[in-house]
Amino acid sequence: DGGITQSPKYLFRKEGQNVTLSCEQNLNHDAMYWYRQDPGQGLRLIYYSQIVNDFQKGDIAEGYSVSREKKESFPLTVTSAQKNPTAFYLCASSIGDWNTQYFGPGTRLTVL
Amino acid sequence: DQQVKQNSPSLSVQEGRISILNCDYTNSMFDYFLWYKKYPAEGPTFLISISSIKDKNEDGRFTVFLNKSAKHLSLHIVPSQPGDSAVYFCAASSPNFGNEKLTFGTGTRLTIIP
Repeated sequence: DGGITQSPKYLFRKEGQNVTLSCEQNLNHDAMYWYRQDPGQGLRLIYYSQIVNDFQKGDIAEGYSVSREKKESFPLTVTSAQKNPTAFYLCASSIGDWNTQYFGPGTRLTVL
Repeated sequence: DQQVKQNSPSLSVQEGRISILNCDYTNSMFDYFLWYKKYPAEGPTFLISISSIKDKNEDGRFTVFLNKSAKHLSLHIVPSQPGDSAVYFCAASSPNFGNEKLTFGTGTRLTIIP
């Protein structure tokens, strides 16, 4: 069945290490997004990609990097430059309409 | 600078009664508004939306009201059911101004009491 998968559900890393979060969709959607959610805050856009081999910075891109080599995959790397990496990360995709985004279940990253 | 605000972090409502969730915004260029629902350990799901040319949109038990002069929107759920217990996010965008990116509020946790 179609959907968006994010793995792993929980991830622990030591400070100073880069870590890559996986996001895969089999919905044949062109656009994909990465959001971050912190306690007491709404979802904030990190990066988005509206087509393969192209991506744009969102509102809080510093310390993150992405790639979009395949339509179905949009991995997010949290680098050691990200000052507060501990958060809940959500991936989403859409046919192209920002409003009808389908979200994955999220990955909770904890940096120790 | 929180452009979309949900001032009530939580709300409890008796089953069968009306649930009213509120959202305020500060950016007058927002012209499209959405509500998302989120269960624990799942991603948000789209619930209902409204364009700024309307002041009301209804879909089954869910109605969204928009008051542009007050920069306020609300989501009404009636009658409330146990399955409505979730976190509700308000979001806004400016598609007519070339900005379709969604700005989310902080969410309101709704608990329906049986």
